[in-house]
Amino acid sequence: KAGVTQTPRYLIKTRGQQVTLSCSPISGHRSVSWYQQTPGQGLQFLFEYFSETQRNKGNFPGRFSGRQFSNSRSEMNVSTLELGDSALYLCASSGGGAPYGYTFGSGTRLTVV
Amino acid sequence: KQEVTQIPAALSVPEGENLVLNCSFTDSAIYNLQWFRQDPGKGLTSLLLIQSSQREQTSGRLNASLDKSSGRSTLYIAASQPGDSATYLCAVSSNTGKLIFGQGTTLQVKP
Repeated sequence: KAGVTQTPRYLIKTRGQQVTLSCSPISGHRSVSWYQQTPGQGLQFLFEYFSETQRNKGNFPGRFSGRQFSNSRSEMNVSTLELGDSALYLCASSGGGAPYGYTFGSGTRLTVV
Repeated sequence: KQEVTQIPAALSVPEGENLVLNCSFTDSAIYNLQWFRQDPGKGLTSLLLIQSSQREQTSGRLNASLDKSSGRSTLYIAASQPGDSATYLCAVSSNTGKLIFGQGTTLQVKP
């Protein structure tokens, strides 16, 4: 079965711009989580969506937002980009219940210049 | 606040050696623990998932153990190969599903 698909794979944006990343989970999975990975901070949880509702949220500023559609696909948006937002953004999908095993996508590499 | 620590941060071994990667966590109230592998610039590949009621899981040359009471997990890799070179990450989750990751162990297996 198809894995978790993230698009685009690479993005270069300018400070102040906004960006939207997309994630299509494994068919049948209703939970989508987003993580930011940087060399300094490692992997940090952004938020989780389950059945179109945000179920959990990490400690990121309001510039980071997301949503989930009825087909479980999710988008993450970052507004007013800062240089520090440069990172690998990873999406993970799960069935949403026990045992909470996660499958990750290949990520979107965002570079802010 | 849950914190996950992985030791060592980096490890270099000759091919064929058996090795152990360590993961410790501060709050034993976890739902499960998952080990991942990450190749440079790539996403995460799930290796093993251990539910809180389990003690260990095995997949091929990999064996992961979990001791909730002491807040520790180990990933044992038997007969290491150059293709095992990657960063290995452990992550714990509570019943909310959020994953808390360690900083990872970067493994290099030399031919």
